Amino acid sequence: EVQLLESGGGLVQPGGSLRLSCAVSGFTFGGYAMSWVRQAPGKGLEWVSAMSGIGTTTSYADSVKGRFTFSRDNSKNTLYLEMNSLRAEDTAIYYCAKERGYGDFSALHIWGQGTMVNVSS
Amino acid sequence: SYVLTQPPSVSVAPGQTARISCGGNNIGSKGVNWYQQKPGQAPVLVIYSHTDRPSGIPERFSGSNSGNTATLTISRVEAGDEADYYCQVWHSYTDHRVFGGGTKLTVL
Repeated sequence: EVQLLESGGGLVQPGGSLRLSCAVSGFTFGGYAMSWVRQAPGKGLEWVSAMSGIGTTTSYADSVKGRFTFSRDNSKNTLYLEMNSLRAEDTAIYYCAKERGYGDFSALHIWGQGTMVNVSS
Repeated sequence: SYVLTQPPSVSVAPGQTARISCGGNNIGSKGVNWYQQKPGQAPVLVIYSHTDRPSGIPERFSGSNSGNTATLTISRVEAGDEADYYCQVWHSYTDHRVFGGGTKLTVL
């Protein structure tokens, strides 16, 4: 069974940093793109970042580009989202998701339960 | 950037058919995915590539896509279908995944 488990969320001051983790089981990274998606309290879904299946390509939403970094450790079956220069508007539940398909036929197939990030002084 | 537009809310009586639209420039040329999210839960993929259903999703859920509008149709609506629904596409120029603003489905 495919499972995704996020961790690392918490309270952080504006300008601070935080690293989220997403431990995966039931599959190996190769061949599957992965994404981070966030949801601010009471708001809709916002895609944050994606990494290709082979791990060589990453893309970022304009709102986080230059501040967030998506990486992974194949030996630990774990994804990471390094978040720097955090702002109040980064407050959200952060989900990791396993994709299926490619390009126009891609979809966020399996989601974790999310981890809450609260940026506040 | 590519923008997807959804109505904020749709209401339907039990047993009737709900249709949720998702507007985007020439969206008919793209693969459209739909997600269901119930309060306090993670989203669940219910339709991918316009019309396909993942394993475990009832046949009551279907999708269509043409021109500038994609539509999620839920037949024989049940109380358990009450949720927020989001459309999503892949934007080829930027490799971004784009979500619509979401539609709250209320079962009367």
